[in-house]
Amino acid sequence: GQQLNQSPQSMFIQEGEDVSMNCTSSSIFNTWLWYKQDPGEGPVLLIALYKAGELTSNGRLTAQFGITRKDSFLNISASIPSDVGIYFCAGQLVDKLIFGTGTRLQVFP
Amino acid sequence: DADVTQTPRNRITKTGKRIMLECSQTKGHDRMYWYRQDPGLGLRLIYYSFDVKDINKGEISDGYSVSRQAQAKFSLSLESAIPNQTALYFCATSDSADTQYFGPGTRLTVL
Repeated sequence: GQQLNQSPQSMFIQEGEDVSMNCTSSSIFNTWLWYKQDPGEGPVLLIALYKAGELTSNGRLTAQFGITRKDSFLNISASIPSDVGIYFCAGQLVDKLIFGTGTRLQVFP
Repeated sequence: DADVTQTPRNRITKTGKRIMLECSQTKGHDRMYWYRQDPGLGLRLIYYSFDVKDINKGEISDGYSVSRQAQAKFSLSLESAIPNQTALYFCATSDSADTQYFGPGTRLTVL
């Protein structure tokens, strides 16, 4: 089945550092979304992007919809311990979402 | 109260047993989904439904079946569980094609 390539697979950073992760696809998507999964919970939507080139922020999070519509990026600035979790990108394909493989983020104090 | 609930939260069963996972939602959404999460593989779609009479296969439907008993309820069944169905299962709901709201997950272990 189709999945999105997400990188890096995992990250271990120190509190206060900035984080970047990305998601690429061989297919074009009209919508990109970023979700976060806290340990023991279901994924929660962070940011939704609807237009190629769009740059959207949600607090310390900033996401971009790539110009080619085949990629998206998520940046987290000044990381804090509660940023720990798994981050998933997702692209909308007609009436379904295709999810990336996830980036596991660990933040050390 | 949670908008999307899943029962049970944890289940250990044996190979060959029939298992049903339940999902209920109070968001009033028409669309409901079942996903499976495995380490390093992200979320993969098993089945989805856009209303009570609508059932659609996802990318990994083999070995699973679903029932949409009402707008608010969507259950997933494993007719004869096997060890490689050990995974974390998530239900989600949506009122559009993009934003989906997930339940807390069911951790299933098949011995």
